[in-house]
Amino acid sequence: GQQLNQSPQSMFIQEGEDVSMNCTSSSIFNTWLWYKQDPGEGPVLLIALYKAGELTSNGRLTAQFGITRKDSFLNISASIPSDVGIYFCTGGSEKLVFGKGTKLTVNP
Amino acid sequence: DTGVSQNPRHKITKRGQNVTFRCDPISEHNRLYWYRQTLGQGPEFLTYFQNEAQLEKSRLLSDRFSAERPKGSFSTLEIQRTEQGDSAMYLCASSFPGSYEQYFGPGTRLTVT
Repeated sequence: GQQLNQSPQSMFIQEGEDVSMNCTSSSIFNTWLWYKQDPGEGPVLLIALYKAGELTSNGRLTAQFGITRKDSFLNISASIPSDVGIYFCTGGSEKLVFGKGTKLTVNP
Repeated sequence: DTGVSQNPRHKITKRGQNVTFRCDPISEHNRLYWYRQTLGQGPEFLTYFQNEAQLEKSRLLSDRFSAERPKGSFSTLEIQRTEQGDSAMYLCASSFPGSYEQYFGPGTRLTVT
């Protein structure tokens, strides 16, 4: 089956720093979605990507759909404490396939 | 609040008992999904419905698990004869047909003792 690898697994940054994380797939996706999950809560959809090469922003978040269709990137600019959480990439169709997530810690 | 809701939020049960969870999707969404998430992992797909029809089930969904969506609105997930390995967060999501953008509820945390 499809496998998603997210890196890094965890990040510890200072408030105000920019963050980059990425996701690679063993197979081609037609859709990439990025979610953020807080402890004890369900994932919240941040950004959806539908075209190879597409670059989409949502506030301080920017995500890109890799040209090979096997990868995607998420950048967070000027991080703030509420950015803390686990970021998941996912893709696929009706049954979303999730990576293991990137855990982000922001030190004030 | 017009988001996906799940009840209960937490459930503690003894091994061997049956449990049932409920999910109310966003009202305009006719697709509904169930996922299971264990500690340190991303959510794993269990099953999904379009209206009242259950269209796909994962191999993770053993015979002890059953999901229903009788009127195409809310859904229930039942686990019979619970085992400790069933301890997990059970997530529900919904979407418009043809959209891959799934919106998740807050989840039900199941602990089997």
